[in-house]
Amino acid sequence: QKEVEQNSGPLSVPEGAIASLNCTYSDRGSQSFFWYRQYSGKSPELIMFIYSNGDKEDGRFTAQLNKASQYVSLLIRDSQPSDSATYLCAVIAGNNRKLIWGLGTSLAVNP
Amino acid sequence: DTAVSQTPKYLVTQMGNDKSIKCEQNLGHDTMYWYKQDSKKFLKIMFSYNNKELIINETVPNRFSPKSPDKAHLNLHINSLELGDSAVYFCASSHPNGGTPEAFFGQGTRLTVV
Repeated sequence: QKEVEQNSGPLSVPEGAIASLNCTYSDRGSQSFFWYRQYSGKSPELIMFIYSNGDKEDGRFTAQLNKASQYVSLLIRDSQPSDSATYLCAVIAGNNRKLIWGLGTSLAVNP
Repeated sequence: DTAVSQTPKYLVTQMGNDKSIKCEQNLGHDTMYWYKQDSKKFLKIMFSYNNKELIINETVPNRFSPKSPDKAHLNLHINSLELGDSAVYFCASSHPNGGTPEAFFGQGTRLTVV
């Protein structure tokens, strides 16, 4: 089992819809969870982080963490074409605080 | 001011050559990283330095040698370049002990070996 798993997609949603991106992780000791957005040809940029169970909202983005089920998700409300990118899930696990990355989910928001 | 800057942005070179990529961060972070992103977009950590000390060294050919002269700089030297080294290399920094565990990335260096 991979340490951090994401559905590679592509996930295609119409403009204005809710995009739901999911990520599961294998290390129960994981403490910190991050969502990065990467546009084609650009570097990853942090958009959300969450440390505690439950929801965390920031504008149109909501991160959801469920440590018992070992998953973290990202919801994007009112999706815009500019949200079209690859979304990378990253988890800090282990004593060396190494970021473990998923392969990313490609999101396409259609006008 | 750019937080994490790496040079060059593009690098095209022939097989067998030796090349270096430089990285500097002005965020005051104590940890720096080199990542490789291949054509399948998989982001894989190569090295991590904390205060000039190597703390993560993934399974990387020993043709790759990182050097950290101080905690604001982490350079990557690659000897005897091979076709399979073609990828985008990202430098990143973070400050896990200072409450900033997430990584901030440079703009990437696209290395093409011909």
